[in-house]
Amino acid sequence: DQQVKQNSPSLSVQEGRISILNCDYTNSMFDYFLWYKKYPAEGPTFLISISSIKDKNEDGRFTVFLNKSAKHLSLHIVPSQPGDSAVYFCAASEGFKTIFGAGTRLFVKA
Amino acid sequence: DAGVTQSPTHLIKTRGQQVTLRCSPKSGHDTVSWYQQALGQGPQFIFQYYEEEERQRGNFPDRFSGHQFPNYSSELNVNALLLGDSALYLCASSDRNEETQYFGPGTRLLVL
Repeated sequence: DQQVKQNSPSLSVQEGRISILNCDYTNSMFDYFLWYKKYPAEGPTFLISISSIKDKNEDGRFTVFLNKSAKHLSLHIVPSQPGDSAVYFCAASEGFKTIFGAGTRLFVKA
Repeated sequence: DAGVTQSPTHLIKTRGQQVTLRCSPKSGHDTVSWYQQALGQGPQFIFQYYEEEERQRGNFPDRFSGHQFPNYSSELNVNALLLGDSALYLCASSDRNEETQYFGPGTRLLVL
């Protein structure tokens, strides 16, 4: 039972354009949502998060949007840079448990 | 400021054996979580330790057990290894008041 789904295994974007990564969830009890980035041979690195009581959080080039009625969140990266090429994981937490999606591999072409 | 460290980096075991993986949390963190990441999947939550107690557990059998020491470091033990236990095992630490977790580089376990 996948409670957090990232339906796009990969995404390719031109440098300077916007990257939009999507995530859907099924558990309405999730109270916190996070995005992590992972490079090969490294552990995931925290990128940005949002509480369930908010609908938007922005940090530099990264913005996360939360639509609770649709149980959907998205990560926007503007402008995209080649160094952003990595696997991005959406995660949601309930209590002390964090559930991760399967990840979306982002390719930013120079 | 040392981040999360894990040892060993790689490990090869055979079916039926037992393995112990180790994790030292980021300085100042008191909570440690363990995850299993199979190829092509996201990390799967195994359990979380705080104050030397397991305070939440994911859908993993009792073959998976852990321990947290007074210095907040932690061990993950897996008994009676199966081929399907082959994966990257990630440790993450956090402050008990924060949602953000900091991950180590992982231990890659191969069971033959």
